[in-house]
Amino acid sequence: AQTVTQSQPEMSVQEAETVTLSCTYDTSESDYYLFWYKQPPSRQMILVIRQEAYKQQNATENRFSVNFQKAAKSFSLKISDSQLGDAAMYFCAYRTNRDDKIIFGKGTRLHILP
Amino acid sequence: DGGITQSPKYLFRKEGQNVTLSCEQNLNHDAMYWYRQDPGQGLRLIYYSQIVNDFQKGDIAEGYSVSREKKESFPLTVTSAQKNPTAFYLCASIDRNSNQPQHFGDGTRLSIL
Repeated sequence: AQTVTQSQPEMSVQEAETVTLSCTYDTSESDYYLFWYKQPPSRQMILVIRQEAYKQQNATENRFSVNFQKAAKSFSLKISDSQLGDAAMYFCAYRTNRDDKIIFGKGTRLHILP
Repeated sequence: DGGITQSPKYLFRKEGQNVTLSCEQNLNHDAMYWYRQDPGQGLRLIYYSQIVNDFQKGDIAEGYSVSREKKESFPLTVTSAQKNPTAFYLCASIDRNSNQPQHFGDGTRLSIL
């Protein structure tokens, strides 16, 4: 069965600094997608970034980028120039194309220190 | 605007009662999902449905039931067999033929009286 593991329950970073959130996953599939979602206190789920497994190039969205290591089954999120508004829960998610099952990690709570 | 509507926002249940959470989408998405969120547990998949009249169990289906009679609707029933139903429940959907991420509803908070 597929699993998603986020090994850091909480992290803190100084405002304007860079932080990396870890995510590993376990799958026997070759065709899948990976996502990072942000959940602020409002509990709204907001997509941060996504990566197709067949693409070797790491996805980037403004201050957010990923380090996708397919062989190692690793999908870390880097946030550059951290801002107070980045404080939230961050969830890593995996979607298989075979049966559209989408599963999430347990999340990492990110604190931004002013 | 298209989206997912979950209702009610807050729901209270007496022990021993079944309760149904509503999820409606007007995005014309094929696949729909129910997740349960508890502190420190992330989002855990309860059930999902790829097409009308078909659904699959997720990782924590015990004590829950679903139906998918219409493409736009995927209600979740929390039965009396679910011993710890207090949680935040999120409904989501995707277009199966695209690589777009899930759309999420705003959630329902279920509490036991």
